[in-house]
Amino acid sequence: DAGVIQSPRHEVTEMGQEVTLRCKPISGHDYLFWYRQTMMRGLELLIYFNNNVPIDDSGMPEDRFSAKMPNASFSTLKIQPSEPRDSAVYFCASTGETPGDEQFFGPGTRLTVL
Amino acid sequence: AQKVTQAQTEISVVEKEDVTLDCVYETRDTTYYLFWYKQPPSGELVFLIRRNSFDEQNEISGRYSWNFQKSTSSFNFTITASQVVDSAVYFCALSEALEDYKLSFGAGTTVTVRA
Repeated sequence: DAGVIQSPRHEVTEMGQEVTLRCKPISGHDYLFWYRQTMMRGLELLIYFNNNVPIDDSGMPEDRFSAKMPNASFSTLKIQPSEPRDSAVYFCASTGETPGDEQFFGPGTRLTVL
Repeated sequence: AQKVTQAQTEISVVEKEDVTLDCVYETRDTTYYLFWYKQPPSGELVFLIRRNSFDEQNEISGRYSWNFQKSTSSFNFTITASQVVDSAVYFCALSEALEDYKLSFGAGTTVTVRA
């Protein structure tokens, strides 16, 4: 069974450009989470969805960040416009019916904004 | 306030030594879960264990063992007879019912096992 799939694995862009990160959760999982990992702040939860509905976006740093989940098998995290301080590894994770279950993480997208 | 504290930033050992990673958590909740994740140099996050607040039984899985003590709010992790492949960053995490089970991660402990 495939795990969480993220694309692209690496993204290099210039400041001001729009960036879209993609995630396909594990089939049948009801919860999807977006995290950001930086040296300074560690692993931070940005937003999570339950059955495609955003539940808590309090971790989204600012209006330049947005996330959608149009269906159970696909989510996007968009940054527009991107800034150098957005450089980080972005992880997507999913879990089953109970949010307290273990979360399974994708391989991450390493974003570099020049 | 930091909910999960991993006081050890880095640990370096020689192969076959045992290594214990400390994790102290803070919560007002009675229902919560504790986790350990491993992040090897390749970067992915690998789930190792989940323990709920009502189960203080220690667990052993191969060379890994976990000691959960509610009295000291600790969930420590021991690798016995370490191997080079154990070199990674290890994260302890907490999810609480009162916080809708959102995961709060510690800062991580980098373990380096030298041959």
